[in-house]
Amino acid sequence: DAMVIQNPRYQVTQFGKPVTLSCSQTLNHNVMYWYQQKSSQAPKLLFHYYDKDFNNEADTPDNFQSRRPNTSFCFLDIRSPGLGDAAMYLCATSKTGRANEQFFGPGTRLTVL
Amino acid sequence: GENVEQHPSTLSVQEGDSAVIKCTYSDSASNYFPWYKQELGKRPQLIIDIRSNVGEKKDQRIAVTLNKTAKHFSLHITETQPEDSAVYFCAASPFYNTNAGKSTFGDGTTLTVKP
Repeated sequence: DAMVIQNPRYQVTQFGKPVTLSCSQTLNHNVMYWYQQKSSQAPKLLFHYYDKDFNNEADTPDNFQSRRPNTSFCFLDIRSPGLGDAAMYLCATSKTGRANEQFFGPGTRLTVL
Repeated sequence: GENVEQHPSTLSVQEGDSAVIKCTYSDSASNYFPWYKQELGKRPQLIIDIRSNVGEKKDQRIAVTLNKTAKHFSLHITETQPEDSAVYFCAASPFYNTNAGKSTFGDGTTLTVKP
């Protein structure tokens, strides 16, 4: 089945130790999004790609970066995780980016010790 | 940018009753309004959406209404069942000239359906 896959599902890292989360999709969608979701809150958009065009949200910390080497894969790099970065990280895709349904991956739960 | 407000933040209903969740948005350019359901520990999933060229859309027990003049839209769930218990997020997506659209999410409504 076509889907959005995230690895790992659970990630534990130490304060300040870089971590990379990955997302892959078999939907062949143009747009990929990274969201941060903290408990009982709405998903917060960090950045998104339309094909290779990168779009950063104004309030996304510099600590967060992203790479999209090809259509199928997208990575979220957290250079120096702080305790406040502990959250669920959701990857999503959409077909065109213009007012279309977003398909979410299962998320990666990040714990920072 | 777009601002979406969602009410109520929590909603508890008896099984079989109806549930209504309301959202308002600020950007008159928004033209796509999806509703996502997120069960505990799971990913958000689209349950229904509406575009600005229609005022109402229905899918079995779920319906969404849109009032573009007043900039608000609502989710209606009839004959609620315990499996409807989840967090529901509304969202609004403006049409931009760039190709990448984004959805701004409301803060969510935790719906509890009591058996």
